[in-house]
This record gives sequence, structure tokens and C-alpha cells, in this order.
Amino acid sequence: GDSVTQMEGPVTLSEEACLTINCTYTATGYPSLFWYVQYPGEGLQLLLKATKADDKGSNKGFEATYRKETTSFHLEKGSVQVSDSAVYFCALSDRIIQGAQKLVFGQGTRLTINP
Amino acid sequence: EAQVTQNPRYLITVTGKKLTVTCSQNMNHEYMSWYRQDPGLGLRQIYYSMNVEVTDKGDVPEGYKVSRKEKRNFPLILESPSPNQTSLYFCASGRTGGTRSNQPQHFGDGTRLSIL
Repeated sequence: GDSVTQMEGPVTLSEEACLTINCTYTATGYPSLFWYVQYPGEGLQLLLKATKADDKGSNKGFEATYRKETTSFHLEKGSVQVSDSAVYFCALSDRIIQGAQKLVFGQGTRLTINP
Repeated sequence: EAQVTQNPRYLITVTGKKLTVTCSQNMNHEYMSWYRQDPGLGLRQIYYSMNVEVTDKGDVPEGYKVSRKEKRNFPLILESPSPNQTSLYFCASGRTGGTRSNQPQHFGDGTRLSIL
């Protein structure tokens, strides 16, 4: 079945450091790819998405490119802030009946940014 | 404001005592789903619903029930909770339709259940 693998956490960085969180996937079809972020005590929020190969999703300074040849969707940010501290989930979706998505999540990566 | 609302946010209870976690969305979404989040496992789908009176099992449905009598509500029922159901639960909703599975889901803030 479909699966998503993220880099092991936790990840701790200093403010203004560069961030990469690796994500690779296996899927039988042509999934859409997502990054969700979970701030402490809150639910998941969509951070960015990409729906086809070579698409780049971006939001709040974060970027990720859908790489079909390497089945990857790595999350990057050039200069992180303390407010970026959260748990990040990579996810894919394959279409199920009537066009609704079934999300498959990675295990999550906890990111802590120190001032 | 678009919202998915879960209640309660926190619950500590004992083995075997039936409980219900409510979920309500105000976006007129057809699709609703329940996930559980466990350390090292990410989120796993418990049940989902495509529309009123249409529900189906996800990846980890054992020990859970759901119902979808109204479009906005999708309660999760634990008839006889056990300690292995201690977890963080999320409800989500989304739109259906279209040819691509690219509709983002909206998540509630979570319900932390502890079963003693």
C-alpha cells in the first residue's frame, strides 16, 4: 500500500538556520503531496501542497518540490524563526471514490528553533 | 469562520465505560474522517464518511463506531474503551469531487483520550 517516510526527529536548530526535512513516498498511482504543520495544542494545518510532478508548493517561506523521479517531497526553508517550532507531517493522497482523498501520513518530525 | 469543532478536548476515563467524541463542521463538507495520532506512527485513519448515511472503515477501525445522520456531524463512539485506545484523536472534513485528490482537509484541534 501507499506509504510516507519522513526523516527522524526531533530536529533542533538555531534561529536563521536553513531547514530541510526529508520526505519520500511510495504510491501506486499519481498522488497529490502535502505538508501539514501542527503547532502545540492545535490541529493540523495545511502548509503547502503539490498536485503533479515538478510542481513546487510554497507558503510562509517554506517550499517543497514534487520529485517523481526520486519519489520525494522535501520541505525547505532558508531561514527559520522561533515561531516555526512545531510538528511537521508529510502526507500523500490518492483519490478514492467520488474524488475525496484518503490521506496517508508520515510519522511527523518535531522541529524546535532556539533563539 | 470555517471550523471543525471537537468535544471534549481532553477526557480521562476507565476501561469499558462507553464514550462519544463529537465532531462538527460548518463548511458544508461532504467528506469527514477520524484519525488517531500516536508517537512514531503519524496519523492513521479510523473511519471516514463520504456523505450522510455513508461511512466506511479506515486503516484502524477496530473498537470504534461512527455515524453520519447529519452532514455537519460525525461522532466517534467507543462502546467499550480499552487502554490501547489512549491516543490523540483528530476529526477532519473536506470537499469531494473533481478528478484530482488535491482538496485539502480541515482538521479539528484534537481530543486527547486517556483510558485507564
